[in-house]
Amino acid sequence: EAGVAQSPRYKIIEKRQSVAFWCNPISGHATLYWYQQILGQGPKLLIQFQNNGVVDDSQLPKDRFSAERLKGVDSTLKIQPAKLEDSAVYLCASSSVRQALTEAFFGQGTRLTVV
Amino acid sequence: EDKVVQSPLSLVVHEGDTVTLNCSYEVTNFRSLLWYKQEKKAPTFLFMLTSSGIEKKSGRLSSILDKKELFSILNITATQTGDSAIYLCAVLPHNTDKLIFGTGTRLQVFP
Repeated sequence: EAGVAQSPRYKIIEKRQSVAFWCNPISGHATLYWYQQILGQGPKLLIQFQNNGVVDDSQLPKDRFSAERLKGVDSTLKIQPAKLEDSAVYLCASSSVRQALTEAFFGQGTRLTVV
Repeated sequence: EDKVVQSPLSLVVHEGDTVTLNCSYEVTNFRSLLWYKQEKKAPTFLFMLTSSGIEKKSGRLSSILDKKELFSILNITATQTGDSAIYLCAVLPHNTDKLIFGTGTRLQVFP
């Protein structure tokens, strides 16, 4: 079974620039999560999708972050404009059944450095 | 505010040692507690604990939950260099799929 795919693996941008991350979940997984993990901290949920609908985006900084999941499969997370404090690893995870997080699988993440 | 606290933040041991990682929590409407191992970037699931006093075991790893004292421990016996990783504890409240993570414990095992 193929895992959760994310790209790019690494990204370095200057502050005020824009960046986009891509996630392809495990085939058939209806739930998709984006987490932000700042160095030295645990992952923090940014947004959760169930198919192509948003379930929870309460911790997403909507003035600069946006995410979409067209057709309920792949997802993109965008930051525009980036700030220094956005430097983090962005993890995508997917699960097959809502409220069954033991089935959640994480991708390798994208390490973003904002300079 | 819900929170999860892990200790120690960092641990350095030699191969063969036994380690105990701690996780305490203050969460409204607790449902379950999960342990993940994070090597490089991707967390991988280890255990989910829902009931007090029932030990979960997988090889050299074991974990137990105390819902009265609001904590869990993760034990690793006969540590190996491959156990080197960040161990994340997370709590899942009822009526949400939003995991609340602790800061993690960084374990380094040297030969």
